[in-house]
Amino acid sequence: RKEVEQDPGPFNVPEGATVAFNCTYSNSASQSFFWYRQDCRKEPKLLMSVYSSGNEDGRFTAQLNRASQYISLLIRDSKLSDSATYLCVVNQSPGGYQKVTFGTGTKLQVIP
Amino acid sequence: EAGVTQFPSHSVIEKGQTVTLRCDPISGHDNLYWYRRVMGKEIKFLLHFVKESKQDESGMPNNRFLAERTGGTYSTLKVQPAELEDSGVYFCASSQATGQETQYFGPGTRLLVL
Repeated sequence: RKEVEQDPGPFNVPEGATVAFNCTYSNSASQSFFWYRQDCRKEPKLLMSVYSSGNEDGRFTAQLNRASQYISLLIRDSKLSDSATYLCVVNQSPGGYQKVTFGTGTKLQVIP
Repeated sequence: EAGVTQFPSHSVIEKGQTVTLRCDPISGHDNLYWYRRVMGKEIKFLLHFVKESKQDESGMPNNRFLAERTGGTYSTLKVQPAELEDSGVYFCASSQATGQETQYFGPGTRLLVL
């Protein structure tokens, strides 16, 4: 089993739709969680951190369920510019330093 | 503020040759990470420097890979001799402090070994 698992997609959704991605992780000692966005042939860029209480940034909502070991990302009112690959990233922080594991990413294509 | 930079952006070499990748982290960032993404796979951790010291190199695939960070500023990743399976995108990232700090990624070096 992979340490971080994501549905690779692609998710093809029309503009204005709401789309949700899930990510599961295997190591219960994982401490921090992030969603990164990666555009084609570009580097990953932080979209948002994920907290136990859930957090929202505009049209984006991220949630963490530690008991079930999964993280979700909800995108409301999808825009064409949201088309990208969304990477789930889990940080285990053993010994106080970061040990980051990436999921394979979920590809989103927003269609006009 | 300048971001993480990497050089070269692309490299095409023949099997058996040597290639050296360079990463300049964001100024003041003590933590520097190397990652690799091979075609169709997820981004995988290679190693982590704290200043000039290797904190974790558990992701380095084999002894053909050598990473250095002399002086705790920029880092180099040398592949010698390169093999076909080394082809991929090599990303560098940096962060300000250990713990849960956000990592900022460079644009990557696309390596193709023929």
